[in-house]
Amino acid sequence: EVQLVESGGGLVQPGGSLRLSCAASGFSFSSFWMTWVRQAPEKGLEWVANIKQDGAEKYYVDSVKGRFTISRDNAKNSLYLQMNSLRAEDTAVYYCARLDYYGWRNYAFDPWGQGTLVTVSS
Amino acid sequence: QSVLTQPPSVSAAPGQKVTISCSGSSSNIGNNYVSWYQQLPGTAPKLLIYENNKRPSGIPDRLSGSKSGTSATLGITGLQTGDEAAYYCVTWDDSLSAWVFGGGTKLTVL
Repeated sequence: EVQLVESGGGLVQPGGSLRLSCAASGFSFSSFWMTWVRQAPEKGLEWVANIKQDGAEKYYVDSVKGRFTISRDNAKNSLYLQMNSLRAEDTAVYYCARLDYYGWRNYAFDPWGQGTLVTVSS
Repeated sequence: QSVLTQPPSVSAAPGQKVTISCSGSSSNIGNNYVSWYQQLPGTAPKLLIYENNKRPSGIPDRLSGSKSGTSATLGITGLQTGDEAAYYCVTWDDSLSAWVFGGGTKLTVL
């Protein structure tokens, strides 16, 4: 069974740091782009970051550039999100998802993990 | 303000049909594939439609997707109370070099 399990969320003060992890199983992790998507309380979904199979390409939403770093360890089938200089507006459930490939420039987010809650508050 | 525009809410009676629109521009929907996701309350999103109009295995043919120009549409027929959820469209934006989501549409089955 294809599965993604996030961990590492919690309560952190503004300006603090947190590292999220996503453990993948049931598929060839090193063959897929991976992504983080977040959802603030009672709000919609927002893409956060992407990483290529070998980690050589990374993309970020403007609001987290310079503060968040996406990385992966293919040997451990794991995806990470290092979050620094956290702000109240980063409070959200963070989901990891696989970018399933269907052809040239043709991807979809499938599957998704269950999410981990990050709360930034003093 | 989302890059892709969806109606905040739609509603219809059980058994009826509903459509959810997703409007974008030439840099996103107009030049890229659209996917659709369902998010039931308290759960993670789930892929419903990819490549504008294709359904993954296990998704019933009551659900359909289409795209024309810079807009996409999700259709659901034979509405059931279990369809009550939020629905999101997603595509890549070439100008932003970013994945962009619609603001989400809450479906109520009256």
